[in-house]
Amino acid sequence: QVQLQESGPGLVKPSQTLSLTCTVSGGSISSGSYYWSWIRQPAGKGLEWIGRIYTSGSTNYNPSLKSRVTISVDTSKNQFSLKLSSVTAADTAVYYCARVSHFNYGSGSYLTSHWYFDLWGRGTLVTVSS
Amino acid sequence: DIQMTQSPSSLSASVGDRVTITCQASQDISNYLNWYQQKPGKAPKLLIYDASNLETGVPSRFSGSGSGTDFTFTISSLQPEDIATYYCQQYDNLPPMSTFGQGTKLEIK
Repeated sequence: QVQLQESGPGLVKPSQTLSLTCTVSGGSISSGSYYWSWIRQPAGKGLEWIGRIYTSGSTNYNPSLKSRVTISVDTSKNQFSLKLSSVTAADTAVYYCARVSHFNYGSGSYLTSHWYFDLWGRGTLVTVSS
Repeated sequence: DIQMTQSPSSLSASVGDRVTITCQASQDISNYLNWYQQKPGKAPKLLIYDASNLETGVPSRFSGSGSGTDFTFTISSLQPEDIATYYCQQYDNLPPMSTFGQGTKLEIK
């Protein structure tokens, strides 16, 4: 079955760029109607959606992070990646990659789009500290 | 931005109890609301999508309802393995954006 695995440095210095990769195994990242997303969770706190990418390269970001976030995809490696620039201690969190199941109902002006996070990686802790 | 208010923040119940968690949106979100279960040290798991649809493989004691601004998540008969934190998640499409509720930590009494 399809599995997701995050990888990347567990420690990043303040003002530097956090870089993580999510490797998709057990299936092609290009198959099906899926987006691919990053979500984070500071210790003891709730979940924050960072953004998503389609395999075409089309992206959507959380406005609160948009100026610092880049999500990219490499279909040849079956991976997608997150870069978060100018990090501070507030960016310390467990970072999850997730598959976004997406489907449409109706057509024309009655078209509605639906999505949810149906498969998650185990998460990776990134600490921002000097 | 759409704000989600989830309540209660914590809940203690006995095995076999009916448990209810609510989520209120700051504006009409139709049925664009999903529910997740997160056990300690684990990633969240999808339980309910589009307010009331049970994800494949999820036990039928879990259910969801609601539309517009008010949503309810119910466990009909609490089991010991249901101890977890539960999150609601709203999503929008214009532009695509998502926000989670603050979470409800469920404990056994």
